[in-house]
Amino acid sequence: AQRVTQPEKLLSVFKGAPVELKCNYSYSGSPELFWYVQYSRQRLQLLLRHISRESIKGFTADLNKGETSFHLKKPFAQEEDSAMYYCALSGRNTGNQFYFGTGTSLTVIP
Amino acid sequence: GAGVSQTPSNKVTEKGKYVELRCDPISGHTALYWYRQSLGQGPEFLIYFQGTGAADDSGLPNDRFFAVRPEGSVSTLKIQRTERGDSAVYLCASSPVSGRPSSYNEQFFGPGTRLTVL
Repeated sequence: AQRVTQPEKLLSVFKGAPVELKCNYSYSGSPELFWYVQYSRQRLQLLLRHISRESIKGFTADLNKGETSFHLKKPFAQEEDSAMYYCALSGRNTGNQFYFGTGTSLTVIP
Repeated sequence: GAGVSQTPSNKVTEKGKYVELRCDPISGHTALYWYRQSLGQGPEFLIYFQGTGAADDSGLPNDRFFAVRPEGSVSTLKIQRTERGDSAVYLCASSPVSGRPSSYNEQFFGPGTRLTVL
C-alpha cells in the first residue's frame, strides 16, 4: 500500500543552521515525490518535485530509492522558512489519488 | 488571474444537518480534486472530477458524502446528516490537465473550508 511518513511533527532550528525535514515512503514501482508548503494564513502550495531536480528557496530534496526517502534540506535556515511542510506521493499505482504525509511544522528561531 | 476559491471559509453546523461546500477552480482547469484535512493530519483524498464526471470517488468515506460538478467548472461537496467526526478543513484543488496529480499535472489548492459540526 502507498504510504508517506513524516516522523517529526515539530522541528525547531536556529536561523542560519542547517535543516532537514524527513520523509519516507512506501510504494511499489516508480513514485513521484513532492514537497508542499503552507505558510501561516496561506494556502497549500507546491515547493518542489523530485523530477525537476530543482532548488527552490534554497531547498533541495533527493529521491533515494534504496532508503525510500525524500528528505527536504536547506543549508541555512531563514525565519521566513517557518511553515508547515508536507511530503506527498503520486504514481501510476495510485490512480488519481495523491498521498500526503502528516506534515512537519518547522520553526526557525531568530 | 484568480486562484481556486472556496466558500464559505468557515461553516458551523449542528449534528444531523446538511451542508454544501463550494469550490470555484481556476478558469480552464479540467481536473478538480476534493480533500479532507483533519486536525494534525495531511490532506486525505476524497474525490476527483475529470470535466463533469466523477472519475474517482474512492476516497469518499461513506454515502453521506456526495459531490457534483454539473458544468465542468464549479463543484459542490455535499454532506448529509453531518456527524462530529466530519469536522475538518475541506480542500479543493484544480489542475489544467485531466488525470492523476503528477509532476506534469500540478494541483493548485484553494484556501479550504473549515467545517465544524457541533
